[in-house]
Amino acid sequence: QQQVKQSPQSLIVQKGGISIINCAYENTAFDYFPWYQQFPGKGPALLIAIRPDVSEKKEGRFTISFNKSAKQFSLHIMDSQPGDSATYFCAVSGAGSYQLTFGKGTKLSVIP
Amino acid sequence: DGGITQSPKYLFRKEGQNVTLSCEQNLNHDAMYWYRQDPGQGLRLIYYSQIVNDFQKGDIAEGYSVSREKKESFPLTVTSAQKNPTAFYLCASSTRDRGPGYTFGSGTRLTVV
Repeated sequence: QQQVKQSPQSLIVQKGGISIINCAYENTAFDYFPWYQQFPGKGPALLIAIRPDVSEKKEGRFTISFNKSAKQFSLHIMDSQPGDSATYFCAVSGAGSYQLTFGKGTKLSVIP
Repeated sequence: DGGITQSPKYLFRKEGQNVTLSCEQNLNHDAMYWYRQDPGQGLRLIYYSQIVNDFQKGDIAEGYSVSREKKESFPLTVTSAQKNPTAFYLCASSTRDRGPGYTFGSGTRLTVV
């Protein structure tokens, strides 16, 4: 059973546009929701993360929106740039747990 | 600077040979993980360890082995029993407080020739 479902699998956005990637989860015990960014040939790096006590977190052009009742969270990239072209992974983790469960990833391409 | 180091970056192996991938961290993290990444497959967990001298199988452990003799080190051996070992391998570490989440290494690309 897939604990976190990520969509879309791939996304093409025009430079300056908004990129939106969505994740849905099943287990209401999850309490940590990070997003990772991975460039080709590199390891993923933490981009931004949220806990369920807030509905939105913004860091620069990157925003996480969190809907606890719908068990969904999304990554919004405002003013998308070609340098944002990468694979993005959402993840979830439960209280007291070391371990993250990752979505399958979204390959974002920002075209000039 | 604290971080996690994987070596080598590229590795070539002949069929039938075992090969060991190195992963070292100086972050004082308790937990360490190995993932395999294939195009379109996301991150698949091979093995993880939450404490020295203890480790658990992940989703795709067959054909792989690990050890955790030191907190800093978590080497992965790809054995000849792994039928399709060509992939990008990622090591990660984490702490219980999960503030920064996982820290990943830069990966090892293994190619069977």
